[in-house]
Amino acid sequence: RKEVEQDPGPFNVPEGATVAFNCTYSNSASQSFFWYRQDCRKEPKLLMSVYSSGNEDGRFTAQLNRASQYISLLIRDSKLSDSATYLCVVNGGGSYIPTFGRGTSLIVHP
Amino acid sequence: DVKVTQSSRYLVKRTGEKVFLECVQDMDHENMFWYRQDPGLGLRLIYFSYDVKMKEKGDIPEGYSVSREKKERFSLILESASTNQTSMYLCASSPLTGVLNTEAFFGQGTRLTVV
Repeated sequence: RKEVEQDPGPFNVPEGATVAFNCTYSNSASQSFFWYRQDCRKEPKLLMSVYSSGNEDGRFTAQLNRASQYISLLIRDSKLSDSATYLCVVNGGGSYIPTFGRGTSLIVHP
Repeated sequence: DVKVTQSSRYLVKRTGEKVFLECVQDMDHENMFWYRQDPGLGLRLIYFSYDVKMKEKGDIPEGYSVSREKKERFSLILESASTNQTSMYLCASSPLTGVLNTEAFFGQGTRLTVV
């Protein structure tokens, strides 16, 4: 079983839609959680960290559910420029190695 | 501004060649990583290093080796390139803060084609 699992999608949504991604992780001792964004043929870049209490950055909201071992990313009022692959990343639990999910593809269309 | 620089954006090499991929970071980070990324497989860890001259195998080390002689530089070596090593290679670095890690910063990637 892969340590970090994501639905690969693609999620195909119209502009203005709200879309949510989930990511599950297997190591209950994991301590740090992130969402990265990767544009086509580019390197991954940090979108936001995920804190225990949940956090929001503009149209983006990240949540952590330790009991069920998943994190989520909610994007409100989707823009065409949000089209990308969103990678879930988990650290800690005895390892400082970032462990990546395979990514979820989002396509926002007019 | 944080920077991780990979020496080449695109490379084409012949089967059997020895290939060096260089990565330099200017943030004084302890941890450095090499991943390869293939469609449908995501990022897979090849090797990582948490200090100068220290290295650890990742999930797919076969056919690769690494070198970290200086803190800022982490090199990935393909001893004898093969066509199944055609891929996007991504270098990353991160600081070590206690037992937690902060975000990893990535280089722009090297798209290697082995013919």
